[in-house]
This record gives sequence, C-alpha cells and structure tokens, in this order.
Amino acid sequence: EVQLVESGGGLVQPGRSLRLSCAASGFTFEDYAMYWVRQGPGKGLEWVSGINWNSDKIAYADSVKGRFTISRDNAKNSLYLEMNNLRTEDTALYFCAKDTYAYSVTSGIGNWGQGTLVTVSS
Amino acid sequence: EIVMTQSPASLSLSPGERATLSCRASQSVRGNLAWYQQKPGQAPRLLFFGASIRATGIPARFDGSGSGTEFTLTISSLQSGDVAVYYCQQYNNWPGTFGQGTKVEIK
Repeated sequence: EVQLVESGGGLVQPGRSLRLSCAASGFTFEDYAMYWVRQGPGKGLEWVSGINWNSDKIAYADSVKGRFTISRDNAKNSLYLEMNNLRTEDTALYFCAKDTYAYSVTSGIGNWGQGTLVTVSS
Repeated sequence: EIVMTQSPASLSLSPGERATLSCRASQSVRGNLAWYQQKPGQAPRLLFFGASIRATGIPARFDGSGSGTEFTLTISSLQSGDVAVYYCQQYNNWPGTFGQGTKVEIK
C-alpha cells in the first residue's frame, strides 16, 4: 500500500524558514515524480512544486519561486520542501503527492498524503 | 503559468440528475489534464488523467472529455456520495496549475 507521510509543519513567524519532509513507502520511490500541493484554509488546491524521478526536472509555482526549494533523497525514500522567507499567505495544508505511473509526469497525481499544516503568523 | 478556469463555481442538483462541469485553459494543454474529487476533510482523489482516462476504481457514471483548451467532467446520474469539490489540473507545462474548483451539492 502506498503511504506518504508528511512532517515538519507548525507555527512560524513571517520571514522565518521551515523544512517539510515526506516519508514514502509501498512503492519504488526512485521511479516516480513527486509533488507538493497546498491548500489554504477554505481555499482550493495550489500546485507548489514538482520534481521528477532523477531530479533533472524541477519547477515551482510563481508564488513560491526563489523562496522554496524541493529536493529528494531516493536512498531514504524521502521528499523535502525547504521554505524560506515565509509569508502569511503561505499558511496552508501542504500535501505530498506522487504521479500515478512510474517514469511519468503525465499521468496525474494518483496518491496523496494527509498533509502537514503550516501556519505563518506573528 | 497556464490559468485554469472552472465553471460553474457551484452546482446544486437532485439525485439522479446529470452534472456537467467545465474547465478551460488559457492556452492549449493538449490532452494533459486531470480531474480530482475532494470530499470534506479528505485529500483529493484522482478521477481522470489524459482528459478521459478513468483512474482505478472510478465508477462509469463519471466521464471526462475534451482536449486543447476546453474540457468537461460529466456525472451522468448524481448520487449523494458525489457531494464534493471537483478540480481540474493541467500538467502539460510545469508548473502544473489547478482550477479554482466546482462545488457539487445535492438538493
């Protein structure tokens, strides 16, 4: 069974940093593109960042470009999101997610974690 | 970034009625579009990718269609368990972008 377990969320002041982690199990992590998707309180889904299986394709939403960095450690079956210079508008539930099929970025987001809550407030 | 626009914002129908949800892209995304269902308090669930390829376990009363800039999700006979917010997402160009969602309710 595919499991994606996020951690690292919490309350942080504006301008500070936070690192999210996602522990993956139940599939061959190194074969899949991975994503971070967030959802602000009462709001819709926002694609934050994506990384393909060997890290040679990476992209960010305009809203986080230059502040957030996605990375993965295939040896540890883990995905990360380094978030710097956080803003109040970054407050959201952050989901870790994987593409549906191996070696694909065109098969939709087939599996999602339950999310970790990030609150940016003074 | 490609902008995805969904309509209507909300839909209220009786059980058994047909629901038609639309999604428009600001530029062609070819067939690289997915639909998701999100029920309250849950993570999203993939319904379709490739605009019309049904994901595993999705009932046949759900249908996806379209290409280029215009896409449609149809629920042929609405059931109470279909109450949710439905999102489209393009992944033709990274960053992938979501529509703002259509909320489906039962009368």
